[in-house]
Amino acid sequence: AQSVAQPEDQVNVAEGNPLTVKCTYSVSGNPYLFWYVQYPNRGLQFLLKYITGDNLVKGSYGFEAEFNKSQTSFHLKKPSALVSDSALYLCAVRSEDTGRRALTFGSGTRLQVQP
Amino acid sequence: KAGVTQTPRYLIKTRGQQVTLSCSPISGHRSVSWYQQTPGQGLQFLFEYFSETQRNKGNFPGRFSGRQFSNSRSEMNVSTLELGDSALYLCASSGGGGSKYNEQFFGPGTRLTVL
Repeated sequence: AQSVAQPEDQVNVAEGNPLTVKCTYSVSGNPYLFWYVQYPNRGLQFLLKYITGDNLVKGSYGFEAEFNKSQTSFHLKKPSALVSDSALYLCAVRSEDTGRRALTFGSGTRLQVQP
Repeated sequence: KAGVTQTPRYLIKTRGQQVTLSCSPISGHRSVSWYQQTPGQGLQFLFEYFSETQRNKGNFPGRFSGRQFSNSRSEMNVSTLELGDSALYLCASSGGGGSKYNEQFFGPGTRLTVL
């Protein structure tokens, strides 16, 4: 079985400061990892994914994520937070070992950026 | 390219009724997945369809069913509604035959309230 843990329900940062949203995963075989963002009353928007290759993945809106195989982590980062980044962030994993295309999501981390 | 569309956006039903939700994927996408999002359980996978065939199914009771049409549009049906079925139902489509490498693109969701 595969699972995702997002240990922080909420992260608070000041505008202009760097932000990190944590994600750890558990899968059999190589993982395919994804970050999505959800604004109120809207669906999920894709930010970035890790399939293979460089451990640092760059995505939309200035976000990036670092894949760490030994720590089974895929933390989301941004050098300088904006108030408009305030939203729910969801990490998801898919294993190459199963036929499933479904994503297993973490519980989400609410990011609050204060002006 | 138009995104994933879902109708209706909001729905209010009473216990025991049934409901049908509709999803139109991004043009050219043949894989459609459905998810249920609730505050308590987070995002949970319902089922995935590809070329009119159910390819994967999550751990939900038989009251939840779906289908996909030849134009890739999909519907999900919930019969004998229960209070606990109140949730945001999200549809996602994926290109590349629903490859494990591909991200899913989500619609805005249908907010179902069961009274």
